[in-house]
Amino acid sequence: AQSVTQPDIHITVSEGASLELRCNYSYGATPYLFWYVQSPGQGLQLLLKYFSGDTLVQGIKGFEAEFKRSQSSFNLRKPSVHWSDAAEYFCAVGPEYGNKLVFGAGTILRVKS
Amino acid sequence: NAGVTQTPKFQVLKTGQSMTLQCAQDMNHNSMYWYRQDPGMGLRLIYYSASEGTTDKGEVPNGYNVSRLNKREFSLRLESAAPSQTSVYFCASSPYRMTGKVDEQYFGPGTRLTVT
Repeated sequence: AQSVTQPDIHITVSEGASLELRCNYSYGATPYLFWYVQSPGQGLQLLLKYFSGDTLVQGIKGFEAEFKRSQSSFNLRKPSVHWSDAAEYFCAVGPEYGNKLVFGAGTILRVKS
Repeated sequence: NAGVTQTPKFQVLKTGQSMTLQCAQDMNHNSMYWYRQDPGMGLRLIYYSASEGTTDKGEVPNGYNVSRLNKREFSLRLESAAPSQTSVYFCASSPYRMTGKVDEQYFGPGTRLTVT
């Protein structure tokens, strides 16, 4: 069965600092991986996805993520955080063939000025 | 395009009352989903519909029923609400094309439900 672990429930970073949010997955075959962002009171918006190919994927809003098969990780990064990045971030995994995703518990990002 | 819409945005129920949450998408997607979001637990799948005419249980289906009314609409019904069903409910849709490959999901704005 698939599972996703986001080890950090809360993270606080200063505006302008770099950010890395961790995601570890458990899946026996090739995973398809997603990062979503949820602003307060809103639905989830896709930031980026990894299906195959280049292990470093670029997303919207200046985010990127790197797939590391050896570490079963898909960490999300941003070089310089803006106050508007404060939100909750979810990592999700799905099989290559199928129509269900499994979501992690989320990481709440706080940005201090 | 409105994307995925949900009604109502907020609802307060008393224990034992029933209600239906409505969801519609205008992206001609095949698959639709209902999730609940609780603090520290992420999103948990309640029910999903892979295509028009089919529905299947997800991780936490007890206490809920669904109807895929047509390709656009997927409703979630609580027959006898309980305080444990206090949550934020999200509807999502996905293209899920003929290839069968997994695809991203598009989410509605959510319904915040409180059961007292």
